[in-house]
Amino acid sequence: SAVISQKPSRDICQRGTSLTIQCQVDSQVTMMFWYRQQPGQSLTLIATANQGSEATYESGFVIDKFPISRPNLTFSTLTVSNMSPEDSSIYLCSVEAPPDEQYFGPGTRLTVT
Amino acid sequence: QKEVEQNSGPLSVPEGAIASLNCTYSDRGSQSFFWYRQYSGKSPELIMFIYSNGDKEDGRFTAQLNKASQYVSLLIRDSQPSDSATYLCAVREGKLIFGQGTELSVKP
Repeated sequence: SAVISQKPSRDICQRGTSLTIQCQVDSQVTMMFWYRQQPGQSLTLIATANQGSEATYESGFVIDKFPISRPNLTFSTLTVSNMSPEDSSIYLCSVEAPPDEQYFGPGTRLTVT
Repeated sequence: QKEVEQNSGPLSVPEGAIASLNCTYSDRGSQSFFWYRQYSGKSPELIMFIYSNGDKEDGRFTAQLNKASQYVSLLIRDSQPSDSATYLCAVREGKLIFGQGTELSVKP
């Protein structure tokens, strides 16, 4: 399976600011995803990061709040914009490699004060 | 609404016993089924996947799939305290749909 890294691993941010989370994969992958896991909850898909085109967002998530970049087949960023305490969560990057097998990065633990 | 249902637990079993984790899903057209293990403070780790009806064994883990009854289960034989974690069932319905997870506690 692919090796996935994320930066930062954790951060504490003030409300109203933005944080960009980076996801790096050690091999080229077609499918990259961003998830959120709130405390004590399961995983919620935010969006699918598409290389060379706009991300595909799930219901309840919008590009203005969670802009995503995917400049190549090994890298993606997720920005959490204009943060509020409700955005405190773990954000996870995920890839399909090989096809149909989905693996997760180590996650970014975000606390908004 | 496509759903994946799991008992939240906690499920407590003694060391050496068989732990049985169950999951039901709503979409009859689902073809791929996955089990993830998530230790506290860590990200989910893929441990098993199954596509066909029946059993699939990998070491101490056995995944069981029954498409007619729309359930998938995970058996952990000879449970160890290191198996204590939350186990997430996921079903592919285009995208992966995750259950809420079952917390397993293996007592020494």
